[in-house]
Amino acid sequence: GNSVTQMEGPVTLSEEAFLTINCTYTATGYPSLFWYVQYPGEGLQLLLKATKADDKGSNKGFEATYRKETTSFHLEKGSVQVSDSAVYFCALSDLGGGADGLTFGKGTHLIIQP
Amino acid sequence: ETGVTQTPRHLVMGMTNKKSLKCEQHLGHNAMYWYKQSAKKPLELMFVYSLEERVENNSVPSRFSPECPNSSHLFLHLHTLQPEDSALYLCASSRGQGPYEQYFGPGTRLTVT
Repeated sequence: GNSVTQMEGPVTLSEEAFLTINCTYTATGYPSLFWYVQYPGEGLQLLLKATKADDKGSNKGFEATYRKETTSFHLEKGSVQVSDSAVYFCALSDLGGGADGLTFGKGTHLIIQP
Repeated sequence: ETGVTQTPRHLVMGMTNKKSLKCEQHLGHNAMYWYKQSAKKPLELMFVYSLEERVENNSVPSRFSPECPNSSHLFLHLHTLQPEDSALYLCASSRGQGPYEQYFGPGTRLTVT
């Protein structure tokens, strides 16, 4: 079956630090990969996506590259801000897997201190 | 973002009550989903509807009953719930079945007493 593994945290960084949140996956087919963000009291928002190997998704200074050889989709940002504090979810959608929902990781709680 | 709305935002119910959660999407999408988000657990897909027909039911207890009267509306009917059903229930929609991004509502925080 499909699965997503990501560091759970909490991850605590100072403002302007470099961020990496690791995500690896297993899938039966050729998945599309996503990062979602959830701010306190809100639903999930799509942050970025990639649909094929070597694609780089980017948004709001965040980037992630689809690495088929290492089955990874790590999230990075060069300089984080306090407003980036949230829970980040890595997810996949596998057309070949038969399921139509997303498979999510457990989420990584990110805390940015001023 | 008002693409997907959910009501109510908070709900407290006893184990013998019957209530319904409502979801509405204004994005012209054809697929809608219910997820359950519990503390310390990954999001769990509960139900999938595509073109108003249920296409997946991930072994969800029968005390949860979904309804999709049209492609814009999705309900989750609740009855005789258990305290362990307390969670955040998220609705999402997407363009269709397959590897499309999903757009989420803000969720309904359910507490079962």
